[in-house]
Amino acid sequence: GENVEQHPSTLSVQEGDSAVIKCTYSDSASNYFPWYKQELGKRPQLIIDIRSNVGEKKDQRIAVTLNKTAKHFSLHITETQPEDSAVYFCAASRAQAGTALIFGKGTTLSVSS
Amino acid sequence: NAGVTQTPKFQVLKTGQSMTLQCAQDMNHEYMSWYRQDPGMGLRLIHYSVGAGITDQGEVPNGYNVSRSTTEDFPLRLLSAAPSQTSVYFCASKLGGTYGYTFGSGTRLTVV
Repeated sequence: GENVEQHPSTLSVQEGDSAVIKCTYSDSASNYFPWYKQELGKRPQLIIDIRSNVGEKKDQRIAVTLNKTAKHFSLHITETQPEDSAVYFCAASRAQAGTALIFGKGTTLSVSS
Repeated sequence: NAGVTQTPKFQVLKTGQSMTLQCAQDMNHEYMSWYRQDPGMGLRLIHYSVGAGITDQGEVPNGYNVSRSTTEDFPLRLLSAAPSQTSVYFCASKLGGTYGYTFGSGTRLTVV
């Protein structure tokens, strides 16, 4: 089955700096890679996702890149703000084959002002 | 739409007791999944379903049973609770042909 590794487990940055979180996956048939943000005591919320036919996707201050050959994808947050502080999870799945999401273990991002 | 509704929000069980965590969605989503979340372990898939009458095991299925008799409901059953099942449980769903899963607000379960 799919296995998703996520690094780093914790990340501390100063407000305004960029943050990068990296994930690798094992199943070459996976074709959907979402990123979720979870604030303390809340449910995970989808913030951005990418499909395997795309190499990069941006949405304002966040972007995701995908390298299918190396089987890794990354989340980039620019101009970080204190409200970006949360736990971020990457995930992978074979979306059209009906498999569920397999998650990485998460990255705790702390943005200090 | 109410979205994905999980009940109860909190539960304390004694070792050996049984209970059912409820998950319901009113969005006609075919795909539903159960996850448990433990500190430092991320979200681990317990069971999932791609439609009524179809279920499959995830990464950590032992100690849990599921059934999917209707599109709307996907209950998770603990037959004999153990302290190792203390966790936060999330249910998620999505519409077939789409990509993003919507999560419920979670159930915090403590087994003593």
